[in-house]
Amino acid sequence: DQQVKQNSPSLSVQEGRISILNCDYTNSMFDYFLWYKKYPAEGPTFLISISSIKDKNEDGRFTVFLNKSAKHLSLHIVPSQPGDSAVYFCAASATSGTYKYIFGTGTRLKVLA
Amino acid sequence: DTAVSQTPKYLVTQMGNDKSIKCEQNLGHDTMYWYKQDSKKFLKIMFSYNNKELIINETVPNRFSPKSPDKAHLNLHINSLELGDSAVYFCASSQDMTPGQKLFFGSGTQLSVL
Repeated sequence: DQQVKQNSPSLSVQEGRISILNCDYTNSMFDYFLWYKKYPAEGPTFLISISSIKDKNEDGRFTVFLNKSAKHLSLHIVPSQPGDSAVYFCAASATSGTYKYIFGTGTRLKVLA
Repeated sequence: DTAVSQTPKYLVTQMGNDKSIKCEQNLGHDTMYWYKQDSKKFLKIMFSYNNKELIINETVPNRFSPKSPDKAHLNLHINSLELGDSAVYFCASSQDMTPGQKLFFGSGTQLSVL
């Protein structure tokens, strides 16, 4: 049972436009969410996070939105740049219980110049 | 200076062999992890150690044995390798086990079992 789902395996966006990557989760106990970016042959690198006490967190061109009632989060990248082309993973964890992150399967973003 | 380094980057071996993957972090973190990314791209936690103590041991075959000689190192030894063990294995670390800590990943070890 996949508790964190990224239903879009890939996304293409024109340079300068907005990229929106989505993530859904099923476990209502999750209270921390992270986004990671991964280039080929490299490990995932941390991008941005949000805790369940917030519904939005912003860092430069990256904003993460959390909708707890819908169990949905999204990552917005504005404006998108060719260097943003990578695989993006969302991850979730629960403060209670075993401390571990559950990852989605990733969305491959391609930003077209 | 690489924060989390793992070796080797590529590992090709025959079924039935025993192999090890090494991981070291120079971030001064207390907690280290092993994750496995399979062919379907799921990134699943296998083990975590906090200050050399095993904290998380997911349902991983006991052919997989982690060893943490000190809190900067977490090695993974795999006995009697099987075809299904082919995957990319990522080592990671975090400052500690406080909720919301971000993970720092190594660049991965691509294991191919023939």
